[in-house]
Amino acid sequence: AQSVTQLGSHVSVSEGALVLLRCNYSSSVPPYLFWYVQYPNQGLQLLLKYTTGATLVKGINGFEAEFKKSETSFHLTKPSAHMSDAAEYFCAVRHPNDYKLSFGAGTTVTVRA
Amino acid sequence: DAGVTQSPTHLIKTRGQQVTLRCSPKSGHDTVSWYQQALGQGPQFIFQYYEEEERQRGNFPDRFSGHQFPNYSSELNVNALLLGDSALYLCASSSFRGLAGEETQYFGPGTRLLVL
Repeated sequence: AQSVTQLGSHVSVSEGALVLLRCNYSSSVPPYLFWYVQYPNQGLQLLLKYTTGATLVKGINGFEAEFKKSETSFHLTKPSAHMSDAAEYFCAVRHPNDYKLSFGAGTTVTVRA
Repeated sequence: DAGVTQSPTHLIKTRGQQVTLRCSPKSGHDTVSWYQQALGQGPQFIFQYYEEEERQRGNFPDRFSGHQFPNYSSELNVNALLLGDSALYLCASSSFRGLAGEETQYFGPGTRLLVL
């Protein structure tokens, strides 16, 4: 069974600073990987995904993530934080022969002016 | 193009009651999944419906049941509500592309259930 670990339940960054959210997974085979964002009192919005091919994936709102098989990681980054990036971020995995998404516990991002 | 819609947005029930939540998938999608998100946690998979049948189920008791209609919309039913069932219930839709397909699940805004 696959599982997801998000390191750091809370991250605080200054506006304009780098945002780095860490995600490690465990899976018997390379899974499909996703990052979702959840704004207060809303559902989940897909930021980006990795299935196959290029390991550096670009998403919406300036976010990108890199799949590193050797490190079983899929960390999310954004070069310059904006106030609107304040939200909760979830990393999720799906085994290629499975239907469900397995989510991490989430990381809450706050952005300081 | 309408995204995934869910109703109602909020619901208050008492212990022991039954509740039905509804979901309409994104246009062109034929698969619906349901997740439970307790406060401060990540979503947990309840089950997925495809071709009007439950295709996969997570670790939830039989009190949780569902249905998918011919128009691909879906309902989640929870019987004998417990205080611990208080959560945000999320519906996600996708377009089935085979067991190892690279389908992506798109989420609705959720229904917030409070059990008193």
